[in-house]
Amino acid sequence: GEDVEQSLFLSVREGDSSVINCTYTDSSSTYLYWYKQEPGAGLQLLTYIFSNMDMKQDQRLTVLLNKKDKHLSLRIADTQTGDSAIYFCAERMESSASKIIFGSGTRLSIRP
Amino acid sequence: KAGVTQTPRYLIKTRGQQVTLSCSPISGHRSVSWYQQTPGQGLQFLFEYFSETQRNKGNFPGRFSGRQFSNSRSEMNVSTLELGDSALYLCASSLSGSSSYEQYFGPGTRLTVT
Repeated sequence: GEDVEQSLFLSVREGDSSVINCTYTDSSSTYLYWYKQEPGAGLQLLTYIFSNMDMKQDQRLTVLLNKKDKHLSLRIADTQTGDSAIYFCAERMESSASKIIFGSGTRLSIRP
Repeated sequence: KAGVTQTPRYLIKTRGQQVTLSCSPISGHRSVSWYQQTPGQGLQFLFEYFSETQRNKGNFPGRFSGRQFSNSRSEMNVSTLELGDSALYLCASSLSGSSSYEQYFGPGTRLTVT
C-alpha cells in the first residue's frame, strides 16, 4: 500500500541540528523528496534523493536513505528561526510516476 | 523565470455551487498536477494533466474534474460543493511528469465552502 509516515512535531534549540524522520512503504519508490511549507504558502522543494543513493548533501541539508528499512531522514545543520515550518516527506512510485504520496508533515519549531 | 501561479488565491463559496480554479505552470513545463490539502487528510493527489490529457487520477469523486489547455495552463472544477471541500488546492508543474523528478508548487488557492 501507499503510506508515508512522519512524526508530527519537533522542537530544537537555535543553532542545534534538526533531524526529521520518515518511513515509507512502497519499495518501488523511485524518488524521495523533502518539501518545506511556511504558513500561508505553497510547498517549496528542498531536496530529493534517488532511490539508488544512500546520502545526499546540499549546504545545511543532509538526506539519508535506508532502503532496507524504508527510512528517510532530513538533517538541518545549524537550525535557524527561518527554518520554522512544516516539513513533508514524499515518495514517488515507479508504478505511478506522476503521483507523489506525501506524509502528514512534521512541524519544526525553534527555541531560542 | 516566473514560478507556478494560481488564481484566485482565496475563494468563498456556498454549498451546492461550483468553482473553477486556475493554474499557470512554469514556462516550458508541460505537466500539471493538482493536490488537495486539508488538516484532516493532509496532501492528497487529485489528478495530473500532460499535453491536454489526464494521465493520472487520485481517489476523488467525479465532482472534481480538470482540463489542460494547449498552452499547458490548467483548470480544476469542483461541482456541487460540499463543506468538506474546504481546503487549500495546490497545483504543481514539472517538465514532463513521469520523466521529470522535480515538481514545483504554486502558492495554492484557499477555498472556503460555507
